[in-house]
Amino acid sequence: EVQLVQSGAEVKKPGESLKISCKGSGYSFTSYWIGWVRQMPGKGLEWMGIIYPGDSDTRYSPSFQGQVTISADKSISTAYLQWSSLKASDTAMYYCARPRARGLMAVADPPGYWGQGTLVTVSS
Amino acid sequence: QSALTQPASVSGSPGQSITISCTGTSSDVGGYNYVSWYQQHPGKAPKLMIYDVSNRPSGVSNRFSGSKSGNTASLTISGLQAEDEADYYCSSYTSSSTLAVFGGGTKLTVL
Repeated sequence: EVQLVQSGAEVKKPGESLKISCKGSGYSFTSYWIGWVRQMPGKGLEWMGIIYPGDSDTRYSPSFQGQVTISADKSISTAYLQWSSLKASDTAMYYCARPRARGLMAVADPPGYWGQGTLVTVSS
Repeated sequence: QSALTQPASVSGSPGQSITISCTGTSSDVGGYNYVSWYQQHPGKAPKLMIYDVSNRPSGVSNRFSGSKSGNTASLTISGLQAEDEADYYCSSYTSSSTLAVFGGGTKLTVL
């Protein structure tokens, strides 16, 4: 069974750094893209970016390029989403998600599997 | 503004059928059979209900069905139940972006 298990909720102050995680299991972690989706309070879903753990190829949505860093450690089947300096506007629920299909060609496929979400609250 | 257009809200009574539309372009919905639908209850993660336009994952009720005509995909829920009340999102492969695109979401109210 495919599972994506995310790290717990975080409360941070503006300007602080943060790294949240998503551990994949039940499948070959290096053979599937895995990415991050933002959902701001009361709003819709937005792809932030995606990484292929097999070769670390990483793609970002233009809206998030330069704002966050996506990485993966294939030795522990875990993907990460990182901020160097949080803003209040980063307050949101963040989901990791994976397409159903394997391989490099699936980069733009819709998500097939989702993590449970990590709530990030940024407030002074 | 979302890349795919969905109605903000739909409603129906228990037992009825409703349809939610998802309109894109020939670069996404119209050009490929990679449209998915998700159900999201408040405070929960999205759940995949339909993939590749009309396929249901194991465990999803056959009351949920998907279809596509031209640049518009549709999700139909038949025999509406109270538990179907949720937000619904569509998503599609797109040739004009690196990543899949989402619709803005539709709030389903069961009257």
